[in-house]
Amino acid sequence: DAGVIQSPRHEVTEMGQEVTLRCKPISGHNSLFWYRQTMMRGLELLIYFNNNVPIDDSGMPEDRFSAKMPNASFSTLKIQPSEPRDSAVYFCASSYGQGDEQYFGPGTRLTVT
Amino acid sequence: AQSVTQPDIHITVSEGASLELRCNYSYGATPYLFWYVQSPGQGLQLLLKYFSGDTLVQGIKGFEAEFKRSQSSFNLRKPSVHWSDAAEYFCAVIAENMNYGGSQGNLIFGKGTKLSVKP
Repeated sequence: DAGVIQSPRHEVTEMGQEVTLRCKPISGHNSLFWYRQTMMRGLELLIYFNNNVPIDDSGMPEDRFSAKMPNASFSTLKIQPSEPRDSAVYFCASSYGQGDEQYFGPGTRLTVT
Repeated sequence: AQSVTQPDIHITVSEGASLELRCNYSYGATPYLFWYVQSPGQGLQLLLKYFSGDTLVQGIKGFEAEFKRSQSSFNLRKPSVHWSDAAEYFCAVIAENMNYGGSQGNLIFGKGTKLSVKP
């Protein structure tokens, strides 16, 4: 199994631009999670899906952030417009079900200048 | 509120020495607990997990952890550290659904402990 796949691995963009991060979960996994990692706040949940349905988006910072999961094998996290404070590493993780161990992708390092 | 505390931000041990990384949690019911390791520039790799049963759990790379309900702790141990163990270690608990009980699904992480290994 290829594991959780994220793209791009690195993204550098200017403030105000739209950024789209992509994730392909492990085949057969029903839950997908987006986390953000910063020095100040550590690892924090942004949103998670179960069977392609958003379950908890309380961690999404504001309306500039949106996430979709159109099918079981693909999810996107979009930031529009991006701001320098969005600079972080964004991780996608998947699990077989809620409460099971989560497998993490390599992350996308986002830099907004 | 649910939380995970890792009291040690940075620990340095000599290669071959034993290691113990501390983790305390705050949780209403029986927790599902995890330890992950993150090497620089990499994602998180699961070391071990505790769901129920034997309170001493074995993981990969020679790591083990012990669940102690009375102390709300889940400390990670390794008898002999190797230079390749230098990384950041995260303790995590599955969030509890405060409205309906049971697990919610997402992980709540501690702030991490960075491990350095001296030759």
